[in-house]
Amino acid sequence: QKEVEQNSGPLSVPEGAIASLNCTYSDRVSQSFFWYRQYSGKSPELIMSIYSNGDKEDGRFTAQLNKASQYVSLLIRDSQPSDSATYLCAVIGTSYGKLTFGQGTILTVHP
Amino acid sequence: KAGVTQTPRYLIKTRGQQVTLSCSPISGHRSVSWYQQTPGQGLQFLFEYFSETQRNKGNFPGRFSGRQFSNSRSEMNVSTLELGDSALYLCASSLEGARSTDTQYFGPGTRLTVL
Repeated sequence: QKEVEQNSGPLSVPEGAIASLNCTYSDRVSQSFFWYRQYSGKSPELIMSIYSNGDKEDGRFTAQLNKASQYVSLLIRDSQPSDSATYLCAVIGTSYGKLTFGQGTILTVHP
Repeated sequence: KAGVTQTPRYLIKTRGQQVTLSCSPISGHRSVSWYQQTPGQGLQFLFEYFSETQRNKGNFPGRFSGRQFSNSRSEMNVSTLELGDSALYLCASSLEGARSTDTQYFGPGTRLTVL
């Protein structure tokens, strides 16, 4: 079992729709959870961080964390073509400075 | 505040050579982590440095090494390059590299091609 798994893509949604990205993790002691966006040929860019169970909203983005189910998700409302990118779920556990990444989900928002 | 910078941005080397990559963290950040990104393996953790000490190391061979200087700048070195070392090498900086709440910010990466 991979340490961090993301829903298989690619995911294609129409402009204006809600995009839902999911991630599960295997290490129960994981403490912090991050969503990064990576455009083709660029480096990962932080979108959201979440540490506590529940929802965290930032503009069009909502991260949801359920530690009991070892599940974290990212919702993108009113999706725009500029949201088309690879979304990476990352988890930090008990070791210093080590983010463990999922394989990424490619999102395409079509006009 | 300036972001994380990495030099060089692109490198072409041949098998057997060695390479040194450089990373300057965000001002005030003392932790630097290095990652390798390939299409097949995704993003994988190489090592982390804090206060000139390597605190954590990923599952990579000893050909991959690094160091950190007193100003928090970090370098990584790959010796005896192999074709499989072709990848995007990313460094990320954070305040303390602590286990929780510390956020890592990535540099633009160095694209290494080994021929």
